[in-house]
Amino acid sequence: DQQVKQNSPSLSVQEGRISILNCDYTNSMFDYFLWYKKYPAEGPTFLISISSIKDKNEDGRFTVFLNKSAKHLSLHIVPSQPGDSAVYFCAASGRPTGGFKTIFGAGTRLFVKA
Amino acid sequence: DVKVTQSSRYLVKRTGEKVFLECVQDMDHENMFWYRQDPGLGLRLIYFSYDVKMKEKGDIPEGYSVSREKKERFSLILESASTNQTSMYLCASSFGEFEQYFGPGTRLTVT
Repeated sequence: DQQVKQNSPSLSVQEGRISILNCDYTNSMFDYFLWYKKYPAEGPTFLISISSIKDKNEDGRFTVFLNKSAKHLSLHIVPSQPGDSAVYFCAASGRPTGGFKTIFGAGTRLFVKA
Repeated sequence: DVKVTQSSRYLVKRTGEKVFLECVQDMDHENMFWYRQDPGLGLRLIYFSYDVKMKEKGDIPEGYSVSREKKERFSLILESASTNQTSMYLCASSFGEFEQYFGPGTRLTVT
């Protein structure tokens, strides 16, 4: 039972254009959402987060949007750069079954073409 | 800057061997985690710890155990390694229920 889903295994975007990565979750008890970026042979690094009391959070070229009614969040990268090519993991945190948990999606590999 | 280090980047072990993976963090974080990453499956939680000598099972604890004798150190133990434990193992730490800081990972191959 995948509680956090990233339905696109990969995404290819031209440099300078917008990248949109999507994530869906199933449990409304999650109240904090995060995006991580992972380069090959390195651990994931935290990128941006959003609390369930907000619907948008922006940090430079990165913006995360949260639609609670649809249980959907997205990461927008504008403009995309070749250095953004990596695997992006969406994560949801909260107490969906009582104890605190963070659940990760399967990841989306982003390719930014120069 | 938070630093999380893992004892090995690459490890090759034989079936049946006992394997120790060690993780150290330098930011006095109370929470530490062990994950494995497999293609198409994302990061799956093996065990986590909210305090010294405290441990909780994650989603896939079978075949693994952990030890946390000091706050900065969290060890993952494979009592008898099997080929289906070939994977990338990632350690992480956090303060509270927020972002986690990951180590570089250990690529374990069991032959």
